[in-house]
Amino acid sequence: AQSVTQLDSHVSVSEGTPVLLRCNYSSSYSPSLFWYVQHPNKGLQLLLKYTSAATLVKGINGFEAEFKKSETSFHLTKPSAHMSDAAEYFCVVSGGSARQLTFGSGTQLTVLP
Amino acid sequence: EAQVTQNPRYLITVTGKKLTVTCSQNMNHEYMSWYRQDPGLGLRQIYYSMNVEVTDKGDVPEGYKVSRKEKRNFPLILESPSPNQTSLYFCASSPEADSRGYEQYFGPGTRLTVT
Repeated sequence: AQSVTQLDSHVSVSEGTPVLLRCNYSSSYSPSLFWYVQHPNKGLQLLLKYTSAATLVKGINGFEAEFKKSETSFHLTKPSAHMSDAAEYFCVVSGGSARQLTFGSGTQLTVLP
Repeated sequence: EAQVTQNPRYLITVTGKKLTVTCSQNMNHEYMSWYRQDPGLGLRQIYYSMNVEVTDKGDVPEGYKVSRKEKRNFPLILESPSPNQTSLYFCASSPEADSRGYEQYFGPGTRLTVT
């Protein structure tokens, strides 16, 4: 069994300040972990993924995430928020024999001018 | 252009009237999947397919059917839709049957309303 918990349903930051979106996971197997972004009225786009290589993963648009097995976390960060980062972000875990993907409930990021 | 297409994009229907949402990908991907997105619940997997004629249930399969007769197509069938199936539906595909390490490519979504 696997699960994902996104610890904040909404996060607001000012433009130019750091972004932290938190994700904890549970998996009986060595998981693959992903962050996807969904802009309003759009489909989902991959930001970055972890698949048991380097624990610090860099993605598109300046985002990165660190896999911490001891804390079962995969938090998403960005040093400086931009207005175009306003969107909903999903943490996703994949693992085990079922080939299933489990999505977190999402974090809505608001960027204030 | 490599893409996943879904049709229709918007659909309003009545309870009990059978409907099909089509999904097609032109990337020769092995793995395809359907999700529904509801506020506060994220995306939940309905069904997935690892190859032609191979399908399996996801987390919320009740009330849905799928088929995978061709590699490129993965239609979602609602035999008798009910209002609780009102949702935003996404189709996705991935290059390998073992999707665990691979990016999923998402379609644009189908907004379904059942009255």
